[in-house]
Formats: sequence, structure tokens, C-alpha cells
Amino acid sequence: DSGVTQTPKHLITATGQRVTLRCSPRSGDLSVYWYQQSLDQGLQFLIQYYNGEERAKGNILERFSAQQFPDLHSELNLSSLELGDSALYFCASSPGGTAEAFFGQGTRLTVV
Amino acid sequence: GENVEQHPSTLSVQEGDSAVIKCTYSDSASNYFPWYKQELGKRPQLIIDIRSNVGEKKDQRIAVTLNKTAKHFSLHITETQPEDSAVYFCAASIINNDMRFGAGTRLTVKP
Repeated sequence: DSGVTQTPKHLITATGQRVTLRCSPRSGDLSVYWYQQSLDQGLQFLIQYYNGEERAKGNILERFSAQQFPDLHSELNLSSLELGDSALYFCASSPGGTAEAFFGQGTRLTVV
Repeated sequence: GENVEQHPSTLSVQEGDSAVIKCTYSDSASNYFPWYKQELGKRPQLIIDIRSNVGEKKDQRIAVTLNKTAKHFSLHITETQPEDSAVYFCAASIINNDMRFGAGTRLTVKP
């Protein structure tokens, strides 16, 4: 167990809908990263937050947004869902000042 | 942003042989280079990492080398075992900034 908690584990929803994925980082970790992994693909960096502020943005669609709250948990919001958004979404967290990032178990999103 | 390239995309070796996976990065400011192992259906897990002030690091059968001048780093697995079969990802980052991953290498160790 990495200490990073993602909910829900599985999500099935219809095209056009909106979902929210939640990530609770390890205790004390300030950085949260979000990644998308499509079937048999690599880890596409979406966005990073550090202590509540957006630190870096990757290939994140305009239909997607995220935020990190004062208690450091983070949410990834996906709207106007398309079939191609079906993927495993990982959250990772790391402590400030060091770099090791630990991944949660992921949320498997299926858009039908 | 940082761009990480990883080769090969697939690698098949006989049990007991060595495996080498290579990565290059584009941002000379990157100073942290972790390697992750992902087994089927599971989360990526850190197996070894190296910082830019070190040229080589070993942990039992696993070693990582870094050439800052050439901007490339490699993972070496010796005496491979079937349980080493997985997808391996390299990554490059500036500490406390975004972490970009290579496309992954699917390693198969044949008994």
C-alpha cells in the first residue's frame, strides 16, 4: 500500500456526462500529480499541484480540470466525456523537498 | 516541457540474461530520474532512482547510470528472473516540478 488513496476504483458512465475523481495523497505530501493511462499505453502527464497551487500542466484537455484543496486532497473533473476518455487515471504524490512519487491504485473510467 | 524518449518498446530475454533499457531527456535542468515497474493491472512502483549529482546507483540486481552531458540514463537488470516481467517506465523531472515519463518498455523474461 503506497498510502495514496484514489476513489472510486471503477467508474462507468455515459458519453456527455461529467465525473469527479478523487485523490488523497500520503500524509504530509505536498505535490499531487495526475496521469492518464489508456489501454497498453504509457503514462500521460495531465497536471501537477504543489501545496494548493497549479505547478505544471501537461496534455490536459480543456474539458478536464483539477484542483487541490487546503487539506491537500485533489480532484480531477472530466466533463463532456467521450469514448476515448476511457482509461486508467492515476494520481501520485510526493513530499516537498524530495522527489519520490508514489502512485495510487488508479481509477478505471469506462465511458459507454 | 520535458520530453523523455525510451527504448526499446519491447524487450525479451532469457532467464539469467541481462536487460538494458535506455532513456533520453531534453531539459538540461532535470535533476531527478526515477524508474518505475508496472505489473499488469497494478500501479507503477518506484524501483530505483538517481539524482543528477550521481553517475551510477546500484540496488542488488538493478542499477541505473546517468550521463548528464549526453542527457541519457539507463536501467540495467542483471540475472533476470520471470518475476521481472513487467512494463518499465523511466521519468525525468526537476524536483518539486512535473514528472514526465517515457513511453514504457515491456520486458518479458522467458524461463
